[in-house]
Order: sequence, then C-alpha cells, then structure tokens
Amino acid sequence: DTGVSQNPRHKITKRGQNVTFRCDPISEHNRLYWYRQTLGQGPEFLTYFQNEAQLEKSRLLSDRFSAERPKGSFSTLEIQRTEQGDSAMYLCASSLDTPYEQYFGPGTRLTVT
Amino acid sequence: RKEVEQDPGPFNVPEGATVAFNCTYSNSASQSFFWYRQDCRKEPKLLMSVYSSGNEDGRFTAQLNRASQYISLLIRDSKLSDSATYLCGGGDDKIIFGKGTRLHILP
Repeated sequence: DTGVSQNPRHKITKRGQNVTFRCDPISEHNRLYWYRQTLGQGPEFLTYFQNEAQLEKSRLLSDRFSAERPKGSFSTLEIQRTEQGDSAMYLCASSLDTPYEQYFGPGTRLTVT
Repeated sequence: RKEVEQDPGPFNVPEGATVAFNCTYSNSASQSFFWYRQDCRKEPKLLMSVYSSGNEDGRFTAQLNRASQYISLLIRDSKLSDSATYLCGGGDDKIIFGKGTRLHILP
C-alpha cells in the first residue's frame, strides 16, 4: 500500500494525558499536512511541512499542540494535557510541491474522556 | 463571510438523475480548488482538481467561475454509490474546506 498511513487509528485517553500520532506520507511527497475534523464540519487546517520545515501553523494549534517532521519523511503530532474539546479525527495528508493535490490518510480518531 | 461555503443538504436525488452542487469562496487569490468525496467515518478522497475554468472526469464535471467566486460540481446519471458527503476546498498551500454537502441517491 503506497498511500498515506496513520497510527494509531483510534486513541482513547483521559483528560490531562499526552498523546502522539504518527503520519507516513506517500514516499515521493515532500509536503505533509495535518488537519482536524469534527462531526458535521470539513477538515480544519492545523499545520504543514515542506520537507522538514514547518511552514505554517493555524491559530487552532494551541501551545499544547506540537508537530515535527525531523527527517522530512514521517511526521508526529503531539497533544499535551488533552482536553475533551480535543476529541476529533486527526487527518494527515501529503502532496507534491506542484500540483497541490493532497491525499489523505485514514485518520486517527481521538476520544478524550 | 466564511472562506468557503457550501449548502449542507441533504440532497435526496433519485438514481439516474443529475445533481449539481455549488460552493462559494472568499479568497480571490486562490488558484487551486478541489472537490473531495467523504464517506461516513472515512477520510476525504480526492475527486477532482480545478485549476482553470473546469475539469471533467466521466460523469463528473467541475467548473470554476472566478468572477462570481464559486465552484460547481455536476454529477450525471447518479448511482447509489455516489451517496456521500462532498467537500469543496480551495488554497495553494493549505486547503480551506467547506462543511460539505450530503448527498443521498435514492433507489
């Protein structure tokens, strides 16, 4: 399977715990994006990388959120001190520089209890 | 005005009919627009890209009207399997998505 992969697929955690998600993009794609989606909404942009450089972060990305892409390949998204409002589907996507078509992974569904 | 707006639906359409969705956007600088299909509890899947005036792929046609700042998606000869949520988005780096339009194809 050469698509975008994400792990874990599901995560249930208690409020206040830290969680980390991983995304492996399509191998030749140098751009990697994180989005968050809640029920009835479209995906909301969080941040994106071009190779290992984090080029943009949304205002949605509070200080509790951090993302890395250390070698320009896979990326991690960490949420510290989780809150119930963090419950959502976290989607990763990747693309070439151009064209910009983004291909999504299956997502990580986070439930904070 | 929200950056990307879509009618949430649902659109209930008999099988075989033609259905059209519109999506309006506010950022006139965007050059790239997309339609994604999303099934329940699944990830969005790219349906079509629109960089110029339009694009066609089989039963699906997307058109871009820059003057009026909207993108449309036309589905001809609709199938039961077309039932899904259709997301519109625009942007040259990040994509700003609408909330999606739900489509139900009725047998």
